[in-house]
Amino acid sequence: EVHLVESGGGLAQAGGSLRLSCGVSGFTFSDYAMNWVRQTPGKGLEWVSYISASGETIYYADSVKGRFTISRDNARSALFLQMDILRVEDTAVYYCAPGILDYWGQGTLVTVTS
Amino acid sequence: IVMTQTPLSLSVAPGQPASISCRSSQSLLQSNGKNYLYWFVQKPGQSPQLLIYEASSRFSGVPDRFNGSGSGTEFTLTVGRVEAEDVGVYYCMQGLQIPRTFGHGTKVEI
Repeated sequence: EVHLVESGGGLAQAGGSLRLSCGVSGFTFSDYAMNWVRQTPGKGLEWVSYISASGETIYYADSVKGRFTISRDNARSALFLQMDILRVEDTAVYYCAPGILDYWGQGTLVTVTS
Repeated sequence: IVMTQTPLSLSVAPGQPASISCRSSQSLLQSNGKNYLYWFVQKPGQSPQLLIYEASSRFSGVPDRFNGSGSGTEFTLTVGRVEAEDVGVYYCMQGLQIPRTFGHGTKVEI
């Protein structure tokens, strides 16, 4: 059974940093590209970032480019999102999901205050 | 690519059919014949879950009352006979280009 567990969310001040993690089990992590997707409170879904299976290809949404860094550790089946220069509008539940978003974790809430 | 869903909300009696439309600003049809359009549902208090991939293929475990159709820029998710457990917000998403983009969602109430 596939499991994804996000962690690392919490309260941060604008301009601050947080590092999200996503632990994976139930599939061969190193075979799959991974994504971060966020959902603002009461609103819709926004794709944030993508990393290929090898980690060589990375993409970001324009809204986070230059501030967020995605990375992965295939040996540990772990995905990360380093979030720097946080803004109030980054407040959201952050989900990790593989490939075509066929499985999702429970999400981790990031709240950024001014 | 901009994804436009209609309607924004839908109230359906149990056992009745329901239909949600999704339009993309660019064709999602690739030369391999696949349409890179996906449907998700987010049930109350839960994470989103994949229902349909490549416009018309049902994901593992999805009941056969859910059907996806369409090609190019026009797509439809149809629920044959709505059940109480189908309540939630339904999203379409294009997987053709980065950034992946979602529709704003359709709230389905029973």
